[in-house]
Amino acid sequence: NAGVTQTPKFQVLKTGQSMTLQCAQDMNHEYMSWYRQDPGMGLRLIHYSVGAGITDQGEVPNGYNVSRSTTEDFPLRLLSAAPSQTSVYFCASSRTPTARDQPQHFGDGTRLSIL
Amino acid sequence: SQQGEEDPQALSIQEGENATMNCSYKTSINNLQWYRQNSGRGLVHLILIRSNEREKHSGRLRVTLDTSKKSSSLLITASRAADTASYFCATGKGGSEKLVFGKGTKLTVNP
Repeated sequence: NAGVTQTPKFQVLKTGQSMTLQCAQDMNHEYMSWYRQDPGMGLRLIHYSVGAGITDQGEVPNGYNVSRSTTEDFPLRLLSAAPSQTSVYFCASSRTPTARDQPQHFGDGTRLSIL
Repeated sequence: SQQGEEDPQALSIQEGENATMNCSYKTSINNLQWYRQNSGRGLVHLILIRSNEREKHSGRLRVTLDTSKKSSSLLITASRAADTASYFCATGKGGSEKLVFGKGTKLTVNP
């Protein structure tokens, strides 16, 4: 089992560019989420989805867009990259449509630098 | 904003010693989870304790939960160099699908 796969692992962008961070899981999990991790800030929730076709905002959604057209995939789009979006991005999934009562499975992250 | 806050922020011990990390939270919860993150990797789930449980064990890990004090502790016994990592608590509360993470405790186990 691959688990949660994130691509790319590293990316450098220029301010104003757009890009999509990919996340795929092969466990038929209903809940998927995106976090960003910054030094001293822990993990902060960007967007999450409780099933295909359903998404909602987390704590820090501005500048990011998501969609969930299939159970397996949950891409995160940066609309116009800004230096403040330099971070490590993690995708996670859990079996039921809620993260609060199930272990979350994490990918290994995408390290993103915005120049 | 973070629901859980870990204490201490950093902890350095010798191999074989026990490591204790604490997590405090602000509002009522359904359960509390602990995760480990090795450098450069994603988080790995360690243990989940429900609000009606007081203590849970998994191998060398012991987690306690005190809902009256809104706090939890993670004890790693007989630590090894491989336990060097950051440890995070995460809380889930009723009515919300989300999990909220603390800022983590960085544990260093010296050989």
